[in-house]
Amino acid sequence: DIQMTQSPSSLSASVGDRVTITCRASQSISSYLNWYQQKPGKAPKLLIYAASSLQSGVPSRFSGSGSGTDFTLTISSLQPEDFATYYCQQSYSTRSAFGGGTKVEIK
Amino acid sequence: EVQLVQSGAEVKKPGESLKISCKGSGYSFTSYWIGWVRQMPGKGLEWMGIIYPGDSDTRYSPSFQGQVTISADKSISTAYLQWSSLKASDTAMYYCARQPMGGVGATTTPFDYWGQGTLVTVSS
Repeated sequence: DIQMTQSPSSLSASVGDRVTITCRASQSISSYLNWYQQKPGKAPKLLIYAASSLQSGVPSRFSGSGSGTDFTLTISSLQPEDFATYYCQQSYSTRSAFGGGTKVEIK
Repeated sequence: EVQLVQSGAEVKKPGESLKISCKGSGYSFTSYWIGWVRQMPGKGLEWMGIIYPGDSDTRYSPSFQGQVTISADKSISTAYLQWSSLKASDTAMYYCARQPMGGVGATTTPFDYWGQGTLVTVSS
């Protein structure tokens, strides 16, 4: 099975900061990589699909890049509503998997 | 409007059986996969499995194969997650989510809509 590893597991940042989260797959997954945001007590929300496509309604400060095994989620200017946990997910194989998550906290 | 509405919270004892549900509306239920995702308290998301209600094609994570059963009743646009004998370690929030069909039998797409979650508590 394909394993997904996210780093860091948590980070502290200030409003306005540029934030980068990485996700690494244990084998090539082409561009079948998705990113989700989850706030406490809420269901996850799709942000980015196919590594770099922005889901409808998601602010343009979110962007994704990468292919093969290494991927990045970037928030260009962190806003108060962006403090949350972010997960990557590979949808390359029939049996999908999520990364362990990255919690973005207020500095 | 696409909606996935899950059944309410459950409190069960170890060894009991349970079936939770996820009702889809606002789209063609038989044309999208429905997946189930577990989130244990304070932990991350775990992909459990998916079902295609159109033909009941079902795929499981090896971690959950044999531990749960995923099914669907397309006549009432509802998917299910079922346990025959619950354990304390099944205590978690369970989410259902919709996944577009990427191609014939393909599962390369993301979960684009999610249910609100069903909290399952298993305690003696």
